[in-house]
Amino acid sequence: AQSVSQHNHHVILSEAASLELGCNYSYGGTVNLFWYVQYPGQHLQLLLKYFSGDPLVKGIKGFEAEFIKSKFSFNLRKPSVQWSDTAEYFCAARDTGRRALTFGSGTRLQVQP
Amino acid sequence: NAGVTQTPKFQVLKTGQSMTLQCAQDMNHNSMYWYRQDPGMGLRLIYYSASEGTTDKGEVPNGYNVSRLNKREFSLRLESAAPSQTSVYFCASGDAPSYNEQFFGPGTRLTVL
Repeated sequence: AQSVSQHNHHVILSEAASLELGCNYSYGGTVNLFWYVQYPGQHLQLLLKYFSGDPLVKGIKGFEAEFIKSKFSFNLRKPSVQWSDTAEYFCAARDTGRRALTFGSGTRLQVQP
Repeated sequence: NAGVTQTPKFQVLKTGQSMTLQCAQDMNHNSMYWYRQDPGMGLRLIYYSASEGTTDKGEVPNGYNVSRLNKREFSLRLESAAPSQTSVYFCASGDAPSYNEQFFGPGTRLTVL
């Protein structure tokens, strides 16, 4: 079955620390990958997406993610987090033969000032 | 351009009561989705509609029904609510060529007592 795994459930960082959130997926074929963010009290917003091409994808607010096909991974990174990055982050994947997304369980990021 | 709207924002039901969650989008998308979000489980797809007049089951359809009323509106009905249906419900829409880039509504927080 298709699945997306996020191994970090709750991450606490200080401002200016670097961030890396793990995401692994289980599809064997062509897959599209995403990171969504949900700020407190708000709905999900797309941070970045990977369809094809350069495996290093840059998104909004200084986030980037690297697609490593051999590791079935799509980790999210940010060199220096800010207090405003406090949110829940969801990795998602779509088998290109399907319309719907499969989401990971989410990672709650807490950035302390 | 409101994007995806959902009503109500909050609802409390007693076990066995019924209710309908409403969703509308003004982006002229063909595809619409209903997800539920539970702590530690991410978002799980309940039902989706690829186009007006069609609906398909997702990962967790039991206890729910949907209606694609027209291109704009996609409702989710709980016929006999159960405490296990306490959750936050998100509606989303998206379309070709980027089915993956789904746009989410603000969510409905439902509590079933």
